[in-house]
Amino acid sequence: DVKVTQSSRYLVKRTGEKVFLECVQDMDHENMFWYRQDPGLGLRLIYFSYDVKMKEKGDIPEGYSVSREKKERFSLILESASTNQTSMYLCASSQTISGNTIYFGEGSWLTVV
Amino acid sequence: RKEVEQDPGPFNVPEGATVAFNCTYSNSASQSFFWYRQDCRKEPKLLMSVYSSGNEDGRFTAQLNRASQYISLLIRDSKLSDSATYLCVVNRNTGKLIFGQGTTLQVKP
Repeated sequence: DVKVTQSSRYLVKRTGEKVFLECVQDMDHENMFWYRQDPGLGLRLIYFSYDVKMKEKGDIPEGYSVSREKKERFSLILESASTNQTSMYLCASSQTISGNTIYFGEGSWLTVV
Repeated sequence: RKEVEQDPGPFNVPEGATVAFNCTYSNSASQSFFWYRQDCRKEPKLLMSVYSSGNEDGRFTAQLNRASQYISLLIRDSKLSDSATYLCVVNRNTGKLIFGQGTTLQVKP
């Protein structure tokens, strides 16, 4: 079974803090994604990566950056957390771009106070 | 206008009922289509892909209408365990999956 692991499930951070969300997948997938999910807005893509050291902006990249130094690991960074970044963050991976199943991690619930 | 639109519901149905959800998409370049299921406070999981000819998986039937740009999901003989949010997902083969807001189903005893 594909395993996508998000190491931090529940975090509470202060406004202005730097926040790292880590994600690891064990299926040698090429593509990895970061989404956030908010009530009434659904899932929105923040960034994705189709190869090591490659990244593409999604629909809402502002206030976020990412790092993919190894194929299995994709990190989301909030340089200076703000209260409007309180959300559930979902990491995902897939084998190919063109329609293969996307597998999600269990989610990281971030509260910024 | 959102690229993928769903009626958020909730749809409240009795056990054993048949229920159908629709989803419309605005980008005609969309190539692949899926239904995902998400339980409360859990991650989304693939329910089924949607093929042009329509496809069935047990009590679930998915249909695609490219001309009208909509996708449907039919659930027959609803079970309590079908209660969840159903997400319509569209892939333009650009690496970006576009998710609908989700439709909430509550199956009552």
